[in-house]
Amino acid sequence: DAGITQSPRHKVTETGTPVTLRCHQTENHRYMYWYRQDPGHGLRLIHYSYGVKDTDKGEVSDGYSVSRSKTEDFLLTLESATSSQTSVYFCATGGDSYEQYFGPGTRLTVT
Amino acid sequence: AQSVTQPDIHITVSEGASLELRCNYSYGATPYLFWYVQSPGQGLQLLLKYFSGDTLVQGIKGFEAEFKRSQSSFNLRKPSVHWSDAAEYFCAVGASKAAGNKLTFGGGTRVLVKP
Repeated sequence: DAGITQSPRHKVTETGTPVTLRCHQTENHRYMYWYRQDPGHGLRLIHYSYGVKDTDKGEVSDGYSVSRSKTEDFLLTLESATSSQTSVYFCATGGDSYEQYFGPGTRLTVT
Repeated sequence: AQSVTQPDIHITVSEGASLELRCNYSYGATPYLFWYVQSPGQGLQLLLKYFSGDTLVQGIKGFEAEFKRSQSSFNLRKPSVHWSDAAEYFCAVGASKAAGNKLTFGGGTRVLVKP
């Protein structure tokens, strides 16, 4: 495994509240990714990073922002959480070989 | 843009029987192909990958997959299933020189193993 941790692992929050999820890696991988996993949709890419301060949008980026100030940390922020953002969020990292390594996930519930 | 289809949402197989999971992809050039496994409550673990060369690739846990360019398929197989193989399996495709080395995932196939 690539030494990826996610925090928190579980979170319940109210609609309209800002939420930040953290991904931390110890492998010095260049690329980092945030996905959400929902039944019937597989994994969908939210945002990704290709270096410190270098990020770009994925296919479902509306309502989410990211930041990467250090190689090892990639933050996902929900500025104002909505019920449609209830999901399981996975962080992944990768080097130049296209393989991606996944963290254990964060289960987020927005009430 | 590339896409991945896993036609079977659920598969039930008896322990000791063989297993084959289907994956079809859409991409104009030679793709990079992956199979991942996800046990309940866990993250995804890489089972195997295909980049080039031999079209039959071996992975961990006794799994193998065969790349068939003519059929745009990358099916996963295991000769004899164990109860611990009950999980969800995801096929993914990456495009060479794609920005960010992004992968596109299929919707997944959930495998149930009967004793």
